[in-house]
Amino acid sequence: DSGVTQTPKHLITATGQRVTLRCSPRSGDLSVYWYQQSLDQGLQFLIQYYNGEERAKGNILERFSAQQFPDLHSELNLSSLELGDSALYFCASSARQDGIYGYTFGSGTRLTVV
Amino acid sequence: TQLLEQSPQFLSIQEGENLTVYCNSSSVFSSLQWYRQEPGEGPVLLVTVVTGGEVKKLKRLTFQFGDARKDSSLHITAAQPGDTGLYLCAGTMDSNYQLIWGAGTKLIIKP
Repeated sequence: DSGVTQTPKHLITATGQRVTLRCSPRSGDLSVYWYQQSLDQGLQFLIQYYNGEERAKGNILERFSAQQFPDLHSELNLSSLELGDSALYFCASSARQDGIYGYTFGSGTRLTVV
Repeated sequence: TQLLEQSPQFLSIQEGENLTVYCNSSSVFSSLQWYRQEPGEGPVLLVTVVTGGEVKKLKRLTFQFGDARKDSSLHITAAQPGDTGLYLCAGTMDSNYQLIWGAGTKLIIKP
C-alpha cells in the first residue's frame, strides 16, 4: 500500500457520459498530480493541485476538470467521454525530502469507454 | 519531441543476462529519478540522483547520472523475471520542480 488511495479501481461507461475519479493523497502530502496513461504508453501529465489551489496544467482536455478539497483529497471529472479517453488514470502525491520531490502513485483507475 | 528520450523502447532478454537502459536529453536536469511500473499498478520510485557523475546501487541495479547532468543509465546485473516492468525516468529542472517524464523502456525477462 503506497498510501495514495484511488477509487474506483475499474470503471466502464458509455460514450457521452461523465465520471468522477477520486484520490486521497498520502498523509501529510499537500500536492496531488493527475496523470493519464494509455495502453503501452508513458505518463501524460494532466494537472497538479497544491493545498487546494491549481498549481500546474498539462495536456488536460477542456472536457476534463479537477479540484482539491480542504481535506486534500482530489477529484478528476471527465465528461462527454469518448472511446479515446479509455486509459489508466493515476494520481500521485509528493513530499519534499532533502530538497527533492519524490512522487508516490496510487494504483490507478482503469477507465473503459464503450 | 520528448525532452527525455529513453532507449531502447522495448527489451526482451533471458534470465541471467545483463542489460543497460538509457535516459538522454540535451537539457540539464537538477535531479533525475527512476521508477518501475508493473502491469496494472502505479510507478514506484526506485532512486533519485542529483550530482553529476553520481552512482547509486540498489541490489542488482546500478544507476548513474551523467557528469553534465543531461543523461542517466540504469544497469541491471543478472536480470530476473521479477525485474519485468516499465522503467521510467523523470527529471526536474532548476527552473521549476515539475517532473518531466520519459516515455519508458518496457523490459521483459524470460525465465
